[in-house]
Amino acid sequence: DQQVKQNSPSLSVQEGRISILNCDYTNSMFDYFLWYKKYPAEGPTFLISISSIKDKNEDGRFTVFLNKSAKHLSLHIVPSQPGDSAVYFCAARPNSGNTPLVFGKGTRLSVIA
Amino acid sequence: KAGVTQTPRYLIKTRGQQVTLSCSPISGHRSVSWYQQTPGQGLQFLFEYFSETQRNKGNFPGRFSGRQFSNSRSEMNVSTLELGDSALYLCASSFRVTGELFFGEGSRLTVL
Repeated sequence: DQQVKQNSPSLSVQEGRISILNCDYTNSMFDYFLWYKKYPAEGPTFLISISSIKDKNEDGRFTVFLNKSAKHLSLHIVPSQPGDSAVYFCAARPNSGNTPLVFGKGTRLSVIA
Repeated sequence: KAGVTQTPRYLIKTRGQQVTLSCSPISGHRSVSWYQQTPGQGLQFLFEYFSETQRNKGNFPGRFSGRQFSNSRSEMNVSTLELGDSALYLCASSFRVTGELFFGEGSRLTVL
């Protein structure tokens, strides 16, 4: 049972435009969410996170939005750059307890110059 | 500060063999997690260790095992390898169990 779902396996965006990556979750106990970026032959690297007490967190070109009622979060990248081409993983965890991060299957973003 | 180091980076085994993968966490990090990445399946949690104790275990068969040493280094072992075990095995460390994960580059295992 996939508790964190990234329903779009891939996404292509023109350079300079906005990239929107989506993530849905089913476990209502999740209250801490993260995005990781992964280049080929490298391990995932942390990008941005959000706690359930917020509905938005911004870091430079990256913004994560959380809609708790819809159990949905999204990552916006504006403007998109060719170097953003990578696989993006959404992850979630309850804030309490010693439970591991649960990852989605990832979305491959291609930013076309 | 050195990152998470995984060895070996690449290895090829045949069905029925066993394999041991090693992970050295970032200095000071006491929590080590292991994940399996396969095409189309994302990152699937294997197990997590903190101070030499297994804190969490994912839904993998008993052929998958791990341990953590007193210096926080960790190993995972897969016995009786199957073709489906071919994957990228990622190790991640964090300062505490619920902290941000820092991943290594992974060990790519191919089972023939």
